[in-house]
Parts: sequence; structure tokens; C-alpha cells
Amino acid sequence: GDSVTQMEGPVTLSEEAFLTINCTYTATGYPSLFWYVQYPGEGLQLLLKATKADDKGSNKGFEATYRKETTSFHLEKGSVQVSDSAVYFCALFRRGKLIFGQGTTLQVKP
Amino acid sequence: DTEVTQTPKHLVMGMTNKKSLKCEQHMGHRAMYWYKQKAKKPPELMFVYSYEKLSINESVPSRFSPECPNSSLLNLHLHALQPEDSALYLCASSQVGDRNTEAFFGQGTRLTVV
Repeated sequence: GDSVTQMEGPVTLSEEAFLTINCTYTATGYPSLFWYVQYPGEGLQLLLKATKADDKGSNKGFEATYRKETTSFHLEKGSVQVSDSAVYFCALFRRGKLIFGQGTTLQVKP
Repeated sequence: DTEVTQTPKHLVMGMTNKKSLKCEQHMGHRAMYWYKQKAKKPPELMFVYSYEKLSINESVPSRFSPECPNSSLLNLHLHALQPEDSALYLCASSQVGDRNTEAFFGQGTRLTVV
């Protein structure tokens, strides 16, 4: 069945470091792909999305490119801030359902 | 307006109580969802409503009873819950369909069953 696999965390970085969070998916066809972010004590916020191969989603300095050949949607940011500390979920939308990866906790230290 | 509003934000209930969680959106979305999230885990889908009809029930125990009275509102009725049902309950909404569909989430209701 459809699934999403994320790198295990937690990921701990210093402020202004480069961030990569890996995400790969298993699905037939071309599902829409998403990154959601969850700050402590809050719901999920959509960070970015891509709906077809080679699409690049971007928002707030974060980027991810839909790679059909490697079935990946890795999240990157060139310079993280303390305020980026949160849990990040990769997800795909298929047959009326959002299917989430396990989530990756990011902690950014000043 | 891209907001999904959930009430209450926090709820403590006993195992014999009956309570309801409420969710509202005014984005014109015709798909609405209930998710359950335990600490340090991803959200788990419970129910999906499409055009106000229940389209997906992920084998959720009957002590959870969803209701979609109109296209803007979604309720989750709770009865005879167990302590292990304590979790963050998230509501979401989206357009119907798989292409170019993004789901918007509420802030959640943190439920504690005592």
C-alpha cells in the first residue's frame, strides 16, 4: 500500500546551519506530496506542496522537489532559525486520505 | 480565510461522560476529516466526510460517533471513553479529490480521559 518514510530524528542543528530532512514515498501513479509543520502544542500547518514530478514547492525559505525517479521529496532550508524548531511531517494524498510519515523533530540551538 | 476552528481547545472527561468536539470551516471545502494524534506520533485518520456523507471509517470504536450536520460543521461525539483515548484530536478540511488537494488543520482539542 501507499506509505511515506522519513529520516528518524531528532535533528539538532545550530542556528544558520543547512537543513535536510529526507522523505521517500511508495505509491502508484503521481500522488500530491506535502510537508506539514507542527509547533509545540499546536495543530499542523501546511508548509509546502508539490503536485507533479519535478515541481518545487517553497515557503518561508523551505524547499522540496518532487523527484519521481527516486520517489523522494526531501525538505531543505539554507539557514535555519531557532523559531524553526518543530516537528516536520512528510505526507502524500491518495484516495481521499493524507498518509503521513513518522515525523522528524528539529531542534535548532542558538 | 483559511482557518479551521476547533472547540474546545482542552477537555477533561470521565469515562462515563458524554461530550462533543466541534469543528468549523468556511472555505467551501466539501471534505472534512477527524484525526487522532498521540504524543510524538503522526496523526492517525479516524473518519472522512465527503459532501456531508461518511466516506471513510478507519475501524474506529463505536464510542466515537462522527456527525456532519452541514458543509461547514463537523462534530465528534464521545461516550464511554477509555484513558487510552486521551490524545490530541485534529479536524481538517479540503476540496474533494486527489489532485491539487491540500488539507487545512485546526489547532486541535487536547482530550484527557480520567
